[in-house]
Amino acid sequence: AQSVTQLDSHVSVSEGTPVLLRCNYSSSYSPSLFWYVQHPNKGLQLLLKYTSAATLVKGINGFEAEFKKSETSFHLTKPSAHMSDAAEYFCVVRDPYSGAGSYQLTFGKGTKLSVIP
Amino acid sequence: DTGVSQDPRHKITKRGQNVTFRCDPISEHNRLYWYRQTLGQGPEFLTYFQNEAQLEKSRLLSDRFSAERPKGSFSTLEIQRTEQGDSAMYLCASSHDANRGQFFGPGTRLTVL
Repeated sequence: AQSVTQLDSHVSVSEGTPVLLRCNYSSSYSPSLFWYVQHPNKGLQLLLKYTSAATLVKGINGFEAEFKKSETSFHLTKPSAHMSDAAEYFCVVRDPYSGAGSYQLTFGKGTKLSVIP
Repeated sequence: DTGVSQDPRHKITKRGQNVTFRCDPISEHNRLYWYRQTLGQGPEFLTYFQNEAQLEKSRLLSDRFSAERPKGSFSTLEIQRTEQGDSAMYLCASSHDANRGQFFGPGTRLTVL
């Protein structure tokens, strides 16, 4: 069965400094991995996705993530945080080979990112 | 706007009442999903449709829950005899290709008093 662990429930950074949100996954084979962002009172927005192409994935708003199979990690980074990045971020896995559950997304519990001016 | 839409956005009901939510997916998407999100948690999968066929159901979807997608377009999620534990945000998502990610609607927030 697939699962996702987001290692930090809350991350606080100063504006202009790098962002690192950590995610480890468990999956039976080669999964699809996603990061979603949820701003307060807004819907979930897809930031980026990994689907077995390049291991370094670029997303919207300057975010990127690197798939490391040996470490079963998919950490999200951004070189310089902006105030508008403050939101909840979800790491998500989909295991296409898990049989009956192959179409569902499994979400982590989320990491709340705060950006200090 | 051609995104996923959900109606209503908010629903307050008394315990024991039935409620129904509607989801309109992105028009060219043949896959539709329902999730539930409680406070402080990530969304949890409930059920999945490909066209009008319901292909997956989570154990979270008790007998009081039923979902339909009669013509392969919009979908409804009904909860019968609501309980306070049903209070949550109910999210709908759609996709064209399972690998490209799912696109979420704004959700319906249900409060059961």
